[in-house]
Amino acid sequence: AQKVTQAQTEISVVEKEDVTLDCVYETRDTTYYLFWYKQPPSGELVFLIRRNSFDEQNEISGRYSWNFQKSTSSFNFTITASQVVDSAVYFCALMPQSYNFNKFYFGSGTKLNVKP
Amino acid sequence: DTGVSQDPRHKITKRGQNVTFRCDPISEHNRLYWYRQTLGQGPEFLTYFQNEAQLEKSRLLSDRFSAERPKGSFSTLEIQRTEQGDSAMYLCASSYEGEGTEAFFGQGTRLTVV
Repeated sequence: AQKVTQAQTEISVVEKEDVTLDCVYETRDTTYYLFWYKQPPSGELVFLIRRNSFDEQNEISGRYSWNFQKSTSSFNFTITASQVVDSAVYFCALMPQSYNFNKFYFGSGTKLNVKP
Repeated sequence: DTGVSQDPRHKITKRGQNVTFRCDPISEHNRLYWYRQTLGQGPEFLTYFQNEAQLEKSRLLSDRFSAERPKGSFSTLEIQRTEQGDSAMYLCASSYEGEGTEAFFGQGTRLTVV
């Protein structure tokens, strides 16, 4: 089974706070990709980050960082010094490579409210 | 390129009517996807095109749904005899060919069936 779980339905923080969004995934594929997308009120999903299953190195990109741990099947995403413009719904997605195309399995999303 | 565009942005229709949505992908992308998103949920895969060929369809895509991508450019998604359960956001995405490539999404068409 391919499944992504985002247990946090909604998070509210005050501007400049750090916030971590949790993601747990299930897959039997040995090769897969994990993504984070952001969906602002305008509707389109905006690509943020991608990680493949063979690279557990955690990285920082600007205010974004991620923690990928295969042992716990987690792919958590952190926004440092949050801003009001970060308010959106954030989706974690799994792309297993057992298909001959790039099929996403999305979690149910975490709504982030950043208050001034 | 201005990204993936979808038309219309909103559609209200009466139950039983047919509706058609259009998606214009990023021009260099040969892969095109349709997803459906209901309130409070993440997008769910509907169908996939590689150029003009429809290579994969989800079981969510009942026989009332049909999608085309003539000449491998824009795509249309038609829903016949709409039902209230069809109310959702329909998202189109496109990508380059290649393992693990990210998809670029349009702003979606929100369908309301009354």
